Amino acid sequence: QKEVEQNSGPLSVPEGAIASLNCTYSDRGSQSFFWYRQYSGKSPELIMFIYSNGDKEDGRFTAQLNKASQYVSLLIRDSQPSDSATYLCAVIVDDKIIFGKGTRLHILP
Amino acid sequence: DAGITQSPRHKVTETGTPVTLRCHQTENHRYMYWYRQDPGHGLRLIHYSYGVKDTDKGEVSDGYSVSRSKTEDFLLTLESATSSQTSVYFCAISEQQGVAGYTFGSGTRLTVV
Repeated sequence: QKEVEQNSGPLSVPEGAIASLNCTYSDRGSQSFFWYRQYSGKSPELIMFIYSNGDKEDGRFTAQLNKASQYVSLLIRDSQPSDSATYLCAVIVDDKIIFGKGTRLHILP
Repeated sequence: DAGITQSPRHKVTETGTPVTLRCHQTENHRYMYWYRQDPGHGLRLIHYSYGVKDTDKGEVSDGYSVSRSKTEDFLLTLESATSSQTSVYFCAISEQQGVAGYTFGSGTRLTVV
C-alpha cells in the first residue's frame, strides 16, 4: 500500500512566526507533489506544487522536496490567523493523487 | 469553484435506498474523480473517469458505481446506501493525468440513517 504520512497535529504557531509542515511518502517513483489547504467545512484548495528537488517559493509559501529522503515540506512565513486550516500533502502514484490525512495548523493571535 | 458544481450539497437518506450524486464541470477537463473524506481516513478515491464512458475503480469502490455519458457530468451512485457510507463526497477534475493537481467541487454531505 503506497502511503503519504503526515503528523495530524494540531500544530500551534504564534502569529508572525514560520509554520513548518512535513510529509513523507512511500513510493520512490513519485514525481509530482502537492500541498492543499482545507478550511473547516470547505473543499481542498491547491496552494503549491513541486516536481524538482529543492525549494519552490510562492509569496509566503515555500515547498521543499527531497526525493532521496522521500520528504516534502511546506513552510509558511509570517503566519496569519487566516492560515489556520488543515494542510493536505498529496503525491501522484500510478497517475492518481494519493492524499495524506492532513495536519491541522492553528495560528495563535 | 472553478466551474465545478456538485449536487445536492446535503442529503439525508435511509439505509437501503439508492442515492445518486452529481458532479458537473464547465472546464471541459478529461479526468474526473470521486473521493470520500472521513475523519481519521482523509481523502480516499472511490472511482475515476478518464473520458466519456471510460471509468475505473479506486481504493474504496465497493458499494459504489459511476457513469459518465457526457464530458461535463460524472455521476456517483450508491446502489443500496449503508450507514458506513455516511461521509462527505468530493468530486475533482483534472486537465492532465499524472502531472497536474486537481480542482475540487464544494462537496456533498451525505448522511445515511
